[in-house]
Amino acid sequence: GDSVTQMEGPVTLSEEAFLTINCTYTATGYPSLFWYVQYPGEGLQLLLKATKADDKGSNKGFEATYRKETTSFHLEKGSVQVSDSAVYFCALSAQRIYNQGGKLIFGQGTELSVKP
Amino acid sequence: GAVVSQHPSRVICKSGTSVKIECRSLDFQATTMFWYRQFPKQSLMLMATSNEGSKATYEQGVEKDKFLINHASLTLSTLTVTSAHPEDSSFYICSARPEPPGREETQYFGPGTRLLVL
Repeated sequence: GDSVTQMEGPVTLSEEAFLTINCTYTATGYPSLFWYVQYPGEGLQLLLKATKADDKGSNKGFEATYRKETTSFHLEKGSVQVSDSAVYFCALSAQRIYNQGGKLIFGQGTELSVKP
Repeated sequence: GAVVSQHPSRVICKSGTSVKIECRSLDFQATTMFWYRQFPKQSLMLMATSNEGSKATYEQGVEKDKFLINHASLTLSTLTVTSAHPEDSSFYICSARPEPPGREETQYFGPGTRLLVL
């Protein structure tokens, strides 16, 4: 079945460091890909998304490119801030045409801690 | 836009009582809403898919008689945890998918409800 694999955390960085969180997926067909962020005690917020191969999603300095050839959607940011400390989830949406009902399938989450 | 609310945000109840959690899409209509459960430091586990005007579709291993879902309108879905026990204590999160459907499958999440059963 469809699945998402993220790099394990926690990831600890100093402020202004470069961030990469790896995400790879397996899926039938052509899923949409997402990054969600969860701050402590809160629900998930959509960070960025990409709906087809080679699309780049971007928001708040974060970027991720949908790479079909490597089945990856790695999250990057050039200079992290303390306020970026959160848990990041990579997810894919299984297509309805494959009778998956548009379910989101999440990776296990990667905790990011940014120190001043 | 695309705001989803949940109520209550936190609830403490005694074992054996029932608890209702509401999920509302505030500025869009959602034929489909989803209910998730999240344990500390873990990912989200999909419990069920809530469809307006029809029965919910439950994931394997989720007791439908214990977790009652009602999707009465295009902006409201409720999850009732019946006869709650301490092992039901968790963080419950809902999401909603805007309609009309398209290829894009973005879900927007509520802020979550923390349930503690004593």
